[in-house]
Amino acid sequence: ETGVTQTPRHLVMGMTNKKSLKCEQHLGHNAMYWYKQSAKKPLELMFVYNFKEQTENNSVPSRFSPECPNSSHLFLHLHTLQPEDSALYLCASSHSGGAPGELFFGEGSRLTVL
Amino acid sequence: GQQLNQSPQSMFIQEGEDVSMNCTSSSIFNTWLWYKQDPGEGPVLLIALYKAGELTSNGRLTAQFGITRKDSFLNISASIPSDVGIYFCAGVSGGYQKVTFGTGTKLQVIP
Repeated sequence: ETGVTQTPRHLVMGMTNKKSLKCEQHLGHNAMYWYKQSAKKPLELMFVYNFKEQTENNSVPSRFSPECPNSSHLFLHLHTLQPEDSALYLCASSHSGGAPGELFFGEGSRLTVL
Repeated sequence: GQQLNQSPQSMFIQEGEDVSMNCTSSSIFNTWLWYKQDPGEGPVLLIALYKAGELTSNGRLTAQFGITRKDSFLNISASIPSDVGIYFCAGVSGGYQKVTFGTGTKLQVIP
């Protein structure tokens, strides 16, 4: 199995829909992250979880709601999104307390908001 | 906030040529990293640098952590078609999990 798996790979939703992105890691890591990648912009950190606890929320709007039920799974619940939220959403994992910045990314979920 | 500026933004090179790209910041970082993102994939770590002045190689890749801790460069020697992708620099300061990414350098290799 690949290290970090994200589903779905592609998602199209209307502004009034509710959907969720899922991430699963098989690397035995205990830190998980959500990043947003928009065209021509740097990757933006959204949330960090360590041992299931949220340790970082980078001023993300409340229409994005993360959930981390255990160290292997991470969700991003989406509701009433805006067209400017269309982007590639990347999940990553790492060893909590491991080498700084060494992240293992999934392939991303490409989100389009109509 | 902290910003990392990469140059060039994009480049076309002939297969076999060497490539050099840079990353600069107005802020100090304690760790510098280089990632590569292939089309349709997530970024993959190539090289990590932990000490100012450090020069590290990984196969055809060589990267340096600038002595001022505000810059880094990545060199790729004898480029091949699979080097195509977007290369991101990244820096870590303060909280070890707060990674700041650069804007990326898009590399295209002409066979």
